[in-house]
Amino acid sequence: QKEVEQDPGPLSVPEGAIVSLNCTYSNSAFQYFMWYRQYSRKGPELLMYTYSSGNKEDGRFTAQVDKSSKYISLFIRDSQPSDSATYLCAMKEASYDKVIFGPGTSLSVIP
Amino acid sequence: DTAVSQTPKYLVTQMGNDKSIKCEQNLGHDTMYWYKQDSKKFLKIMFSYNNKELIINETVPNRFSPKSPDKAHLNLHINSLELGDSAVYFCASSQDTHRAGALRGTQYFGPGTRLLVL
Repeated sequence: QKEVEQDPGPLSVPEGAIVSLNCTYSNSAFQYFMWYRQYSRKGPELLMYTYSSGNKEDGRFTAQVDKSSKYISLFIRDSQPSDSATYLCAMKEASYDKVIFGPGTSLSVIP
Repeated sequence: DTAVSQTPKYLVTQMGNDKSIKCEQNLGHDTMYWYKQDSKKFLKIMFSYNNKELIINETVPNRFSPKSPDKAHLNLHINSLELGDSAVYFCASSQDTHRAGALRGTQYFGPGTRLLVL
């Protein structure tokens, strides 16, 4: 079993739709959970950062962490064509620098 | 005012050659990383350095040798390049994990170096 699993997509939605992106993981020691957005031919950029379980909202983006189920989600409301990118979930243990990335989900928002 | 920069952006070379990729960060971070992203977009860590000291060294062929002249720079030298080395290589940096702060350990990535070995 891979340490972090993520549906690679591609996922195609109409503009204005609510998008749900998900990752599952196996390492119960993960404490920090992140979502990165990567546009084509660019480096990943941090989108959301969450510590332990719970929800975090930032504008149109909401990150959820359910440690009991080892499941994290990113919701995008009112999706825009500019949201078209690959979304990578990432996670790390509390005292270890190594970040484990999911394989990424490719999202296209159609105008 | 680029935060993490890499040179070159593109690198096309023949099998067997030796090449280097340079990385610089002006964020004042203590830790720097090299990642390899393959054609399926899978991002995998290769090395990390904290204050010029090697911290993470994943199972990477010893043809790959990182060098950190100071904490703002982490270069990657690759000997005897092989076809399978073709990928995008990303440099990243982060604040020291052991410092206080909500975003400690969060990594900031450079634009990537696209390496093609022919």
